[in-house]
Amino acid sequence: NAGVMQNPRHLVRRRGQEARLRCSPMKGHSHVYWYRQLPEEGLKFMVYLQKENIIDESGMPKERFSAEFPKEGPSILRIQQVVRGDSAAYFCASSPSAAPGEKLFFGSGTQLSVL
Amino acid sequence: AQSVTQLGSHVSVSEGALVLLRCNYSSSVPPYLFWYVQYPNQGLQLLLKYTSAATLVKGINGFEAEFKKSETSFHLTKPSAHMSDAAEYFCAVRGGNQAGTALIFGKGTTLSVSS
Repeated sequence: NAGVMQNPRHLVRRRGQEARLRCSPMKGHSHVYWYRQLPEEGLKFMVYLQKENIIDESGMPKERFSAEFPKEGPSILRIQQVVRGDSAAYFCASSPSAAPGEKLFFGSGTQLSVL
Repeated sequence: AQSVTQLGSHVSVSEGALVLLRCNYSSSVPPYLFWYVQYPNQGLQLLLKYTSAATLVKGINGFEAEFKKSETSFHLTKPSAHMSDAAEYFCAVRGGNQAGTALIFGKGTTLSVSS
């Protein structure tokens, strides 16, 4: 059973371009979470999705950021018109249920660098 | 709302010494608490979790943590550090009666182990 797969591992974009980060959850997992990690700041929650639905997007910036988790295919975190401050590691996690004691399984992350 | 505070962003110990990483939580409802470890350039892995059963929780790699409600703490310990324990450690919380909510992480503690 493959783990959570994120691609690309490294993504370089120039200011103003779009960044698309992909996350394939573990087989049988229908809950996906996106986190952003900056040095010395830990992991900041961004958005929680369940198949075709956004459950909680309280951590997402109001502009330029969007996320989806379609019925078929991976979850996508999309950042439009990137700025240097978007440079960070973005992690995706998945779980099989929404139970509060449920363990999250993490991918290896996508390192976004904005030039 | 839930939050965690990890005291000490960096902890250094000698090989064989006691490891103590501190975590205090704030939660308006009974919490579920987690410790995750992150090795360089990797995603997070679960070390252990507290889900309202035993207050002393044993995890992988010899780590354990004790839930102390009176102190709102969930400190992570290991009796004898190994070089391979050098990594970043994150404490996380989720409301115990709140299905469908995200895991909230602390800022992390980097553990260094010297020979």
